[in-house]
Amino acid sequence: GAGVSQSPSNKVTEKGKDVELRCDPISGHTALYWYRQRLGQGLEFLIYFQGNSAPDKSGLPSDRFSAERTGESVSTLTIQRTQQEDSAVYLCASSLGDSRVEAFFGQGTRLTVV
Amino acid sequence: GESVGLHLPTLSVQEGDNSIINCAYSNSASDYFIWYKQESGKGPQFIIDIRSNMDKRQGQRVTVLLNKTVKHLSLQIAATQPGDSAVYFCAENRAAGNKLTFGGGTRVLVKP
Repeated sequence: GAGVSQSPSNKVTEKGKDVELRCDPISGHTALYWYRQRLGQGLEFLIYFQGNSAPDKSGLPSDRFSAERTGESVSTLTIQRTQQEDSAVYLCASSLGDSRVEAFFGQGTRLTVV
Repeated sequence: GESVGLHLPTLSVQEGDNSIINCAYSNSASDYFIWYKQESGKGPQFIIDIRSNMDKRQGQRVTVLLNKTVKHLSLQIAATQPGDSAVYFCAENRAAGNKLTFGGGTRVLVKP
């Protein structure tokens, strides 16, 4: 596809379970972001990957959150031992990085922890 | 910086009027700015961008103004329409290769 693809689009999980969210960026985009957006609120930065540089993990809220990216392709955001406060939409975005920094967003994964 | 945990301010606008959405940025080294529009249930979509060597840039019904002296960015929407109802975010970039930093967002409600 031409855009950023995220899966699943919706996820309902029980408190205490682990979840994995997937992001397929636009081909050739070296930069990839993860954001969290709670209902009615702004974008909360989680993590940023740029090429082969060490990721900027400064936004991860706790050690239950982690993310990986293989090269310049797919990224997965993992939340361990989910809590109800983790319920939110998780948005992924990608960009060309150095040359142009317009970021393109996916539709997000709506996570509900029950 | 990035606002977390704050409910979004709301701008109510009459259909047909012009809208002005404001954004203050924090870093004088920022050299690239973007406005995004987020409709309900969707990811943010690019509207318009501006580089720091410009003061103004126009698109279709939208104008972005940059005042580097006071570190202020605004988005003007002409003849606001119901389809403009959304949340609008500004974003800044501080240097090539660095991450975009988003502002807290403003919800625009267009009244018929």
